[in-house]
Amino acid sequence: TQLLEQSPQFLSIQEGENLTVYCNSSSVFSSLQWYRQEPGEGPVLLVTVVTGGEVKKLKRLTFQFGDARKDSSLHITAAQPGDTGLYLCAGAQNYGQNFVFGPGTRLSVLP
Amino acid sequence: SAVISQKPSRDICQRGTSLTIQCQVDSQVTMMFWYRQQPGQSLTLIATANQGSEATYESGFVIDKFPISRPNLTFSTLTVSNMSPEDSSIYLCSVRQGAIGYTFGSGTRLTVV
Repeated sequence: TQLLEQSPQFLSIQEGENLTVYCNSSSVFSSLQWYRQEPGEGPVLLVTVVTGGEVKKLKRLTFQFGDARKDSSLHITAAQPGDTGLYLCAGAQNYGQNFVFGPGTRLSVLP
Repeated sequence: SAVISQKPSRDICQRGTSLTIQCQVDSQVTMMFWYRQQPGQSLTLIATANQGSEATYESGFVIDKFPISRPNLTFSTLTVSNMSPEDSSIYLCSVRQGAIGYTFGSGTRLTVV
């Protein structure tokens, strides 16, 4: 059983569309991170959220941490082909613990 | 954030042989992490490597199969021993830098034939 679930597993959209991907758990996390991994590369950190209800924006990407710190969402506005990749969430239940990675959402943005 | 150089970037190996993957960091770090990413899957932590002590392995991974060295604060190696096709994966090294999060190497894509 995965500690972190991500949905959808796969997503294929046209350039210019908006999308939201989700990261859910039954456990509470002290902090949660989102990564993007492109083919042939390691994951790259996008954001870290630590406060329940927190919203962070990174250009066209909006990240939200659930009030109960059990879930998170990533919303992309006007997706571009460069957004294509594997989006991974990772969480740590307690400070100092290793992060556990979710299974990922594989996004394909078609031109 | 730290810059990690990982090599080889890919290799094709015969079953029964071993491959050693190297990871070099441009700054001193206390802990280095080794992950496996099977085809189409997420990351699974193999072990945590501290300088001067034995690596700490996660459930399902053993030292005989994945020996790790950590001779100093900027370098580590992971060996995949007695390989079988099931070991075909991407292997990633990583460091954690406080609130910055994890920084990953670009990975080693291993194919065992």
